[in-house]
Formats: sequence, C-alpha cells, structure tokens
Amino acid sequence: SAVISQKPSRDICQRGTSLTIQCQVDSQVTMMFWYRQQPGQSLTLIATANQGSEATYESGFVIDKFPISRPNLTFSTLTVSNMSPEDSSIYLCSVIGGNEKLFFGSGTQLSVL
Amino acid sequence: QQQVKQSPQSLIVQKGGISIINCAYENTAFDYFPWYQQFPGKGPALLIAIRPDVSEKKEGRFTISFNKSAKQFSLHIMDSQPGDSATYFCAASMSGTASKLTFGTGTRLQVTL
Repeated sequence: SAVISQKPSRDICQRGTSLTIQCQVDSQVTMMFWYRQQPGQSLTLIATANQGSEATYESGFVIDKFPISRPNLTFSTLTVSNMSPEDSSIYLCSVIGGNEKLFFGSGTQLSVL
Repeated sequence: QQQVKQSPQSLIVQKGGISIINCAYENTAFDYFPWYQQFPGKGPALLIAIRPDVSEKKEGRFTISFNKSAKQFSLHIMDSQPGDSATYFCAASMSGTASKLTFGTGTRLQVTL
C-alpha cells in the first residue's frame, strides 16, 4: 500500500482567495490524481498530475482554476484559485500503488465563506 | 455514457444480516470495477475489485457479483457488523486499471445492533 499525507486537513477561506493543497507519498509513484468530493456526493476526478509535464484535466476543470504541480515522483500540489462558496468540497489526492490499486489520502476539507 | 448508477442511497441492516448494494453502468468499455469504503473524515479505502472475466469474487465477508450481460455489479457484505457502518462507493474504469475512476453516488450503510 501507499501512505499518503495531505495538508492541510481542513481550512476555511474567504471568497476570492486561493488555497494550495499538498500531497506527499511515501514512495515513488508514476500516477497521481486529484479528486473532488462535494458535500454528500460522489467523487469526481479533477486531473491527473503528470511528473515532468502539465497535468491532464477532466471535462469541466481547467488549469486556471485548479493549477497542479508535480515536481517529483512523491509530491504534488493542487491550488484552488479565486475561490467561491461553490468550491467548498473535500479535495482528495490519490495514487496508484502496488498491485495497481488506487489509494487515497485523508482529504482536505475546504469551506469557502 | 460515463455514468455509474448506484442504489440504494442509504441502507439499514441488522447486525448479522446481509448488506447488498447495486451498481449499473452503460459504457461497455469499462473493464475494472472496484468498491470503496469511506468512514467520516477519511479518504475512501479499496475493499475489493473485479474484472469482467469473472462473475464473482470473494474476500472475507465481502463478495462482488458481476453480470456482464446486464451491465450490473453488486457488493454483498455477509454477517454485517456495526463496524461496517460507512459509505460505500462503486466505481468503474477503462483499460483494466484504477486510472480515472468513475464513481457511483454512494450508499450510506448503517448496521444496527
């Protein structure tokens, strides 16, 4: 399994500001993903964080709103930019670890006022 | 069509009973079907997964049944325990891996004494 640490675990932010979420993995992984889980809802894939190249975004998500960095094989950041209350969600980092299984971090619970 | 439809939305089962959660999909290109368990404040954790070449997979008290022709799969939790109380998500992806999962809407399971 992969151990994933996400920071911060929760935050309350003001409208119009930005928040950067960090994801650290205890081993080198090729594939890292960022998911969003809106209150009481399912998980939606935001993007795939690629090491050494730009992230690949899913339909409905754009780089200007959710810039992603992947400087090495154990670390990634997701920034939620120019936040609005609609961005209030849990943001989850995930990686494909051993046996091709997907592992999740504990998530960052974001509330935007 | 990328949707995965999950039912029921919530489920109450007595201790020792069988919990059954169902999922259906439209995209015949899906070829990897995992189930995740999520406790409050935690990220989802992989429970069990199946690929279309088998109709059933069992791990401990958890069984996936897969019906390729009906494009349906289900999770059975035998001898349900209060510790199983959590939200369960089915998911599906293409290419036989956990990359880019499409999640169901979740089922909140409560196991009563």
